[in-house]
Amino acid sequence: EDKVVQSPLSLVVHEGDTVTLNCSYEVTNFRSLLWYKQEKKAPTFLFMLTSSGIEKKSGRLSSILDKKELFSILNITATQTGDSAVYLCAVEHAGGTSYGKLTFGQGTILTVHP
Amino acid sequence: DTGVSQNPRHKITKRGQNVTFRCDPISEHNRLYWYRQTLGQGPEFLTYFQNEAQLEKSRLLSDRFSAERPKGSFSTLEIQRTEQGDSAMYLCASSLVGTGAEAFFGQGTRLTVV
Repeated sequence: EDKVVQSPLSLVVHEGDTVTLNCSYEVTNFRSLLWYKQEKKAPTFLFMLTSSGIEKKSGRLSSILDKKELFSILNITATQTGDSAVYLCAVEHAGGTSYGKLTFGQGTILTVHP
Repeated sequence: DTGVSQNPRHKITKRGQNVTFRCDPISEHNRLYWYRQTLGQGPEFLTYFQNEAQLEKSRLLSDRFSAERPKGSFSTLEIQRTEQGDSAMYLCASSLVGTGAEAFFGQGTRLTVV
């Protein structure tokens, strides 16, 4: 059975701290791994990772994928209260009728206090 | 607004009633996905369409659930004889298969069965 596991499930930090969110996966027919941010509404896209070892960056956020060890991390440096959200990791399937389907982890709830 | 649109945003219904939700994807997107999300969990795959064809349906989806995408444009998700366990956020997403681009989510329909 396909599985995506995120850790920690929740995290409370203060502004300025750096956080690392983890995502491990076991899926058949892996195509890509995606990170989304969800703030009480629809998930909004952050990163799509397809190749191992290549870091993707967007401002204070960065992410990297390890396809050998089957995990990804999402780093947020100098956290701000606006970073408070649920961070979702999802694996996109390749091949056959499941192509493009996303399997999500349970999410990490990040709370940033001023 | 050219994003994914879902209606209604909120629905409260009595147990045993039927409900129908609508999703209008981004216009050029050929893939449309339905997910269900309960509190504290990541989105759970329900079904998806490529154009008007329903390609996959989760085995978790009971026969009370049905989805259609006539003419490959908007989609409807119907739940018959609702149960309290159906209370959740129902998310729709769309993508353009073959481009490697990510799926975009709508704001969701929050269903409460009382």
